[in-house]
Amino acid sequence: DGGITQSPKYLFRKEGQNVTLSCEQNLNHDAMYWYRQDPGQGLRLIYYSQIVNDFQKGDIAEGYSVSREKKESFPLTVTSAQKNPTAFYLCASRTNNEQFFGPGTRLTVL
Amino acid sequence: DQQVKQNSPSLSVQEGRISILNCDYTNSMFDYFLWYKKYPAEGPTFLISISSIKDKNEDGRFTVFLNKSAKHLSLHIVPSQPGDSAVYFCAASFGTASKLTFGTGTRLQVTL
Repeated sequence: DGGITQSPKYLFRKEGQNVTLSCEQNLNHDAMYWYRQDPGQGLRLIYYSQIVNDFQKGDIAEGYSVSREKKESFPLTVTSAQKNPTAFYLCASRTNNEQFFGPGTRLTVL
Repeated sequence: DQQVKQNSPSLSVQEGRISILNCDYTNSMFDYFLWYKKYPAEGPTFLISISSIKDKNEDGRFTVFLNKSAKHLSLHIVPSQPGDSAVYFCAASFGTASKLTFGTGTRLQVTL
């Protein structure tokens, strides 16, 4: 059945290491988004892509990078330059005006 | 600067009663508004939306009201059920990119 998958559900990394979070969708949506959620805060936009091979920075892009080589996939790399990477990361894709979210990845940097 | 605000971090309502969740926004460019429901450690699920050309949209137990002059929207849930207990996020967008700006969420607890 159609949907958005994110893997893994939980991810642990040592400080200073880059880590890549996976996001795959089989909904045939052109636009995809990455958000992070911190306790007591709303979702904040990291990066988004409206079409393959194109992406734009969101509100908090520093320390992150993305690629969009395939329509179905929009991986997010959390680099060592991200000062506070521990958070819940959510991927979404869009049809019309509505965004649909994956189950999220909780990243903990030790 | 928080462009979308949910000033009530939590709300407790008895089962069967009405739940009213509020949201205010400051950016007059926003032309589309959405409500999402979120359980812990899961992604948000879309509930209901409204375009700025309307002032009300209804879907089953959920109704969203939009007051453009006051830059205010609200989500009504009638009747409230225990399964409605979750965090509710208001979100707004404008333009073709449809980037969403989220509020900080309101935790709804429906008690028996």
